[in-house]
Amino acid sequence: KQEVTQIPAALSVPEGENLVLNCSFTDSAIYNLQWFRQDPGKGLTSLLLIQSSQREQTSGRLNASLDKSSGRSTLYIAASQPGDSATYLCAVSGAGANSKLTFGKGITLSVRP
Amino acid sequence: ETGVTQSPTHLIKTRGQQVTLRCSSQSGHNTVSWYQQALGQGPQFIFQYYREEENGRGNFPPRFSGLQFPNYSSELNVNALELDDSALYLCASRRGGSYEQYFGPGTRLTVT
Repeated sequence: KQEVTQIPAALSVPEGENLVLNCSFTDSAIYNLQWFRQDPGKGLTSLLLIQSSQREQTSGRLNASLDKSSGRSTLYIAASQPGDSATYLCAVSGAGANSKLTFGKGITLSVRP
Repeated sequence: ETGVTQSPTHLIKTRGQQVTLRCSSQSGHNTVSWYQQALGQGPQFIFQYYREEENGRGNFPPRFSGLQFPNYSSELNVNALELDDSALYLCASRRGGSYEQYFGPGTRLTVT
């Protein structure tokens, strides 16, 4: 059974800091990994999708990497801003018709002005 | 905005009642999944529909059921509501052949 872990559960940093959010998963037979952002009480916004054949993806100030063999992914946020404050969730899926996502519990990020 | 919409936004029900939640998929997306997110937890997969057929189910009892319609909109039905069913229910859609999923804003269900 796939398990996804995100540690720590919460993180507080000053504005402008570069930071790394970690995600680990137990079964390396994944098809892709997706990072999401969730604002309080809201739905999920897709940030980056990394397919298993890829090592990283970039979008603006965000960079996500994937190491399938070690079961790890990182989300790098450059020059953090107060508007980045949210919960960040990673999720993995297998291949096939049922591409269900298995999520971690998320990391709640607070960026202090 | 992803183009996935859900209704209603909030709902309060009493234990034992039944509820129907609705989702309208993003245009061109023929696969829809439903997730339950309890407070402080990551979303848990309930089931997935592809071309009106259920083709995957998570660890949820049969009182959780669904439908997908020809226009790819979808419903989640929950019978005999329990207090633990209180959660944010999320709908996600994707295009066949693509694995990127797009989520709606969710429906907050409170069972009292």
